[in-house]
Amino acid sequence: NAGVMQNPRHLVRRRGQEARLRCSPMKGHSHVYWYRQLPEEGLKFMVYLQKENIIDESGMPKERFSAEFPKEGPSILRIQQVVRGDSAAYFCASSLRTDSSGNTIYFGEGSWLTVV
Amino acid sequence: QKEVEQDPGPLSVPEGAIVSLNCTYSNSAFQYFMWYRQYSRKGPELLMYTYSSGNKEDGRFTAQVDKSSKYISLFIRDSQPSDSATYLCAMSVQAAGNKLTFGGGTRVLVKP
Repeated sequence: NAGVMQNPRHLVRRRGQEARLRCSPMKGHSHVYWYRQLPEEGLKFMVYLQKENIIDESGMPKERFSAEFPKEGPSILRIQQVVRGDSAAYFCASSLRTDSSGNTIYFGEGSWLTVV
Repeated sequence: QKEVEQDPGPLSVPEGAIVSLNCTYSNSAFQYFMWYRQYSRKGPELLMYTYSSGNKEDGRFTAQVDKSSKYISLFIRDSQPSDSATYLCAMSVQAAGNKLTFGGGTRVLVKP
């Protein structure tokens, strides 16, 4: 399944370190989204990106979190100075287009971040 | 109050039974409604996608949307043990942007 690819699948970081999560969208998809799933909670939207542009970052914490989707290469979600509350599953998703006919987004398998 | 409410379960049913899942929501602007299945430690898998009110059927799955009541449902017929998973409803206001608002998920256990 050449779906949305995320790595690493599991990441352990000590408090204060940086976490970088990578996402390669499905082939041909140019829209990327990041969601976070905290333990026992549903998925929460974080950010929506297109190539070289952040379209909607209304769900991103104001500090320590950033995302990019460069012209070449995967999308990166970066968390600086991680704290225990950042421990969660981070899911990347992609879509082909955003009009009604293509309004289906496909999720990757997730990256599980544990902060110790 | 959450924008999308979903009973967390668990919902336990015998194999072959009909599984009935539902979500309620408060934002009347939601127009696009989806159901995802998520196995433990896996990503959500899209099951059903519906625009506006109405019914949609796909194999053993039927999705219903009642915008007047702000209520959506998913029915799984002839349930199998492999249907044991967490089911997430999701919805969005616009197609553009795909900013989905999820329910908390319902855990379903289908017993052989």
